[in-house]
Amino acid sequence: KAGVTQTPRYLIKTRGQQVTLSCSPISGHRSVSWYQQTPGQGLQFLFEYFSETQRNKGNFPGRFSGRQFSNSRSEMNVSTLELGDSALYLCASSATGKTEAFFGQGTRLTVV
Amino acid sequence: AQSVSQHNHHVILSEAASLELGCNYSYGGTVNLFWYVQYPGQHLQLLLKYFSGDPLVKGIKGFEAEFIKSKFSFNLRKPSVQWSDTAEYFCAVSRTGGGADGLTFGKGTHLIIQP
Repeated sequence: KAGVTQTPRYLIKTRGQQVTLSCSPISGHRSVSWYQQTPGQGLQFLFEYFSETQRNKGNFPGRFSGRQFSNSRSEMNVSTLELGDSALYLCASSATGKTEAFFGQGTRLTVV
Repeated sequence: AQSVSQHNHHVILSEAASLELGCNYSYGGTVNLFWYVQYPGQHLQLLLKYFSGDPLVKGIKGFEAEFIKSKFSFNLRKPSVQWSDTAEYFCAVSRTGGGADGLTFGKGTHLIIQP
């Protein structure tokens, strides 16, 4: 079974631009969560999607948004990028009714 | 909201030494507890989990953890570490049945095993 796949692996963007990250969950998993990992703040929960609906949301500004498609693939968008958005963005998927999350390798975003 | 505290940010041990990494959480309700490991250049992997039942749980690669409800703790242990255990270890908690905060992680412990 293929794991969680995130694309692209690396991204460099300029301040003010926007970016879209993609996540394909494990086959059959309908829940997708996104996390931001930075050296200072550690791993922080961004949001969770289930069956195309945002179910939970962390404490991030509205510049961070996401969506989920009918095939459970998810995208995360960050608008008006700031230097502080530089981070590793991790996607995790879970089977229905299960709390255990399986993580992808992440997308390393650098904002310059 | 729940929070997770990991006692040590950096730990250096020699091979064959015993390991214990501390983790405390704050939340008054019922929680699910996890330890994840992140090897250099690799994705986060689940080491072990506790949902209910026996408070001593065994995970992969010889790791185990004990849930002590009265102390709000979930410490990770391994009797004899190997050089390949060098990695970042994260304790995480989620509310039973999910919840608004998803998984809440500790800041992580960077473990270095010296040959």
